[in-house]
Amino acid sequence: EMQVVESGGGLVKPGGSLRLSCAASGFTFSFFSMNWVRQAPGKGLEWVSSITSSGSLMYYADSLKGRFTISRDNANNSLYLQMNSLRAEDTAVYYCAKGSFDIWGQGTMVTVSS
Amino acid sequence: EIVLTQSPGTLSLSPGERATLSCRASQSVDRNYLAWQQQKPGQAPRLLIFGASNRATGIPDRFSGSGSGTVFTLTISRLEPEDFAVYYCQQFGSSPYTFGQGTKLEIK
Repeated sequence: EMQVVESGGGLVKPGGSLRLSCAASGFTFSFFSMNWVRQAPGKGLEWVSSITSSGSLMYYADSLKGRFTISRDNANNSLYLQMNSLRAEDTAVYYCAKGSFDIWGQGTMVTVSS
Repeated sequence: EIVLTQSPGTLSLSPGERATLSCRASQSVDRNYLAWQQQKPGQAPRLLIFGASNRATGIPDRFSGSGSGTVFTLTISRLEPEDFAVYYCQQFGSSPYTFGQGTKLEIK
């Protein structure tokens, strides 16, 4: 069964950092691009970032202004999101999604609050 | 940036009725990269339609997608109780990738 499982969320103070992880299984991870999508409480889905299968190209939402970095480790079937200079408006559930957004994890909650 | 506008914002229908959800793009979208997601409260999104008109694995045939260019439609032919949820269109053919704001399908 294809699945992705996020981890690493939690409570962080404004200006702090957090690193999210996504563990993939049930498919050949290195064949697929991967994505991060977030959802603020009571709001819609917002695309955050994507990375190509090899990790050579990364794409980001303009609103992130260089604060987030996506990366991957194909040897360990893992996707990451390094989040720096966190703000209250980054509070959301962060989802990892495979390739063409066909497989989603259950999400990990990130709360930015003092 | 391609802006996706979904209408209506909320759709109130009864089980057995037909639902038609619209997604309009601010510029042309490659239909190969137009998808529809379903999300129920407290759950992750689930892929319904990919490539504008192809049902994802396990999706009942009462769900269908159509459209091209700037206008796309998701149709649910006969609503079942489990279909009441929020539906999002999305495009991932042009960065930044974008989602519509969602259509909430509620029981009338």
